[in-house]
Amino acid sequence: KAGVTQTPRYLIKTRGQQVTLSCSPISGHRSVSWYQQTPGQGLQFLFEYFSETQRNKGNFPGRFSGRQFSNSRSEMNVSTLELGDSALYLCASADRGDYGYTFGSGTRLTVV
Amino acid sequence: AQRVTQPEKLLSVFKGAPVELKCNYSYSGSPELFWYVQYSRQRLQLLLRHISRESIKGFTADLNKGETSFHLKKPFAQEEDSAMYYCALTIYNQGGKLIFGQGTELSVKP
Repeated sequence: KAGVTQTPRYLIKTRGQQVTLSCSPISGHRSVSWYQQTPGQGLQFLFEYFSETQRNKGNFPGRFSGRQFSNSRSEMNVSTLELGDSALYLCASADRGDYGYTFGSGTRLTVV
Repeated sequence: AQRVTQPEKLLSVFKGAPVELKCNYSYSGSPELFWYVQYSRQRLQLLLRHISRESIKGFTADLNKGETSFHLKKPFAQEEDSAMYYCALTIYNQGGKLIFGQGTELSVKP
């Protein structure tokens, strides 16, 4: 069974640009969550999608958005990038949240 | 608001010594609690979930609702246990949002 796949693995963007990150969940998993990981703030929840609907959102500005497609694949978009958006962005999928989420390897975003 | 606290940033023990990684949470309802582990250069992976009451790689964790704690324990640490450990909480009806602690780095010395 393939794991959670995130693309690309690394990204370098310029301040003010926008970026789209992609996540393919484990087959059959309908819930996809996104997290931002930084040395200072740790792991912070961005949002979660279930069957194409956003069920929950963390405390991030509106520049951070996401969506989920009918095949459960998800994308996350960050517009007007800031230096502080440099982080590891993790995607996780689950069939049911209380059984625990499986994480991808992440996309390392560097904003210069 | 829900919160997870891991008071130790770094825990260093010798091989064969007992290990206890502390986790406290704040939530008035019934949470779902997990321990995740991240070995060097590997992805974050689920270690334990409290609903399963299982033992994985010799680790156990018991939910203590009175003390709002979910400490991770292992009687005899191994060098391969060295990793970053995260305690996390979710509330099932809130859409699977995981709230993580800041993590504890466990270093097991030979």
